[in-house]
Amino acid sequence: NAGVTQTPKFRVLKTGQSMTLLCAQDMNHEYMYWYRQDPGMGLRLIHYSVGEGTTAKGEVPDGYNVSRLKKQNFLLGLESAAPSQTSVYFCASSYSFSHPPEQYFGPGTRLTVT
Amino acid sequence: AQSVTQPDIHITVSEGASLELRCNYSYGATPYLFWYVQSPGQGLQLLLKYFSGDTLVQGIKGFEAEFKRSQSSFNLRKPSVHWSDAAEYFCAVGTGGFKTIFGAGTRLFVKA
Repeated sequence: NAGVTQTPKFRVLKTGQSMTLLCAQDMNHEYMYWYRQDPGMGLRLIHYSVGEGTTAKGEVPDGYNVSRLKKQNFLLGLESAAPSQTSVYFCASSYSFSHPPEQYFGPGTRLTVT
Repeated sequence: AQSVTQPDIHITVSEGASLELRCNYSYGATPYLFWYVQSPGQGLQLLLKYFSGDTLVQGIKGFEAEFKRSQSSFNLRKPSVHWSDAAEYFCAVGTGGFKTIFGAGTRLFVKA
């Protein structure tokens, strides 16, 4: 049981390049989330999904797109990377019926945009 | 608007000393409250959570937190800190359904 995994762990992009971050969970969770973590700002929600085939915007969605084609996977895309997207990205998942909704986190992806 | 405030950016305690990390929240309804811990280079791990009932909540690794509605607080405590507790701690409030708002975090340093 791997929990939540993220690929890659590190990445360096040049401004304008694109990339996709992959998140996978093996806990059969309905809900999945993408956060970014910046110093002094905690975690901010980028996009989330409440089930296969559904996605929604979070607090800071601009410049990102997501897809949830399979229940276990949640992809985060950057179409044209900008230095402001330098951050640590965390994926999380949770059950749909748990109260409160405890989230399980992946180990993170450190992205640098030069 | 919902918000979470952790007043201390960092705290240093001696090994074996007691610890209290502060958390204040703003939320109109009954909150779901959490404390997560993040070790260097790792994701967040849940320490404990509060939904209802007893306002003193026990968590993993010897941590506890107390919900005080009158003060809108959910402070985290540990009677005796170990060097392995050095990490960043996040308070969070669940706003119903599935969304969670995180505080900015408090980094704990433990000195020998």
